[in-house]
Amino acid sequence: EDQVTQSPEALRLQEGESSSLNCSYTVSGLRGLFWYRQDPGKGPEFLFTLYSAGEEKEKERLKATLTKKESFLHITAPKPEDSATYLCAVEEGGSTLGRLYFGRGTQLTVWP
Amino acid sequence: EAQVTQNPRYLITVTGKKLTVTCSQNMNHEYMSWYRQDPGLGLRQIYYSMNVEVTDKGDVPEGYKVSRKEKRNFPLILESPSPNQTSLYFCASSFSGTGNWEQYFGPGTRLTVT
Repeated sequence: EDQVTQSPEALRLQEGESSSLNCSYTVSGLRGLFWYRQDPGKGPEFLFTLYSAGEEKEKERLKATLTKKESFLHITAPKPEDSATYLCAVEEGGSTLGRLYFGRGTQLTVWP
Repeated sequence: EAQVTQNPRYLITVTGKKLTVTCSQNMNHEYMSWYRQDPGLGLRQIYYSMNVEVTDKGDVPEGYKVSRKEKRNFPLILESPSPNQTSLYFCASSFSGTGNWEQYFGPGTRLTVT
């Protein structure tokens, strides 16, 4: 069973069309939830860390939120350069420090 | 420039021929980790290290070895590679004290085992 599930698997948006990506997790006692962006052929790039329900972080057109069992990455008025795969990861509270579980990602395409 | 380097970037090898993929970081990070990425499966953690001489297993450690003798280096060793280890491998590093896992990833190593 996957500890982290991301949906949708793929999302196509027209430039300016806002939407949200979902990351749900089943680990107990979340220590932290992390969002990364990955461009084709490159390593992931860190975006946000969220620690507790109700927390929000923003960066340019991206806003990440966290509830008790899921996180959303909201993309406001996206541009073509936002096209990438977005990855979510969690660190479980009861596990060894540094043990991370990644979701399979959402591939976002923004067309002009 | 702060970076994580991996070598080689591309490698084609044959079953059973031992190989090492090197990873080095210049940011004085305590934490380092190896991942493999396969289509449809996402990133899976192989091994990680919280500091020198400290390593732990991740999701898929079978068939891999690591060592952390110096803070900056974290090599991944495949003693007897098999075709199911064909994958894209990433090394990453981070400060571990804050727990925010702002990991810096290397450029990746594409390994093909025939």
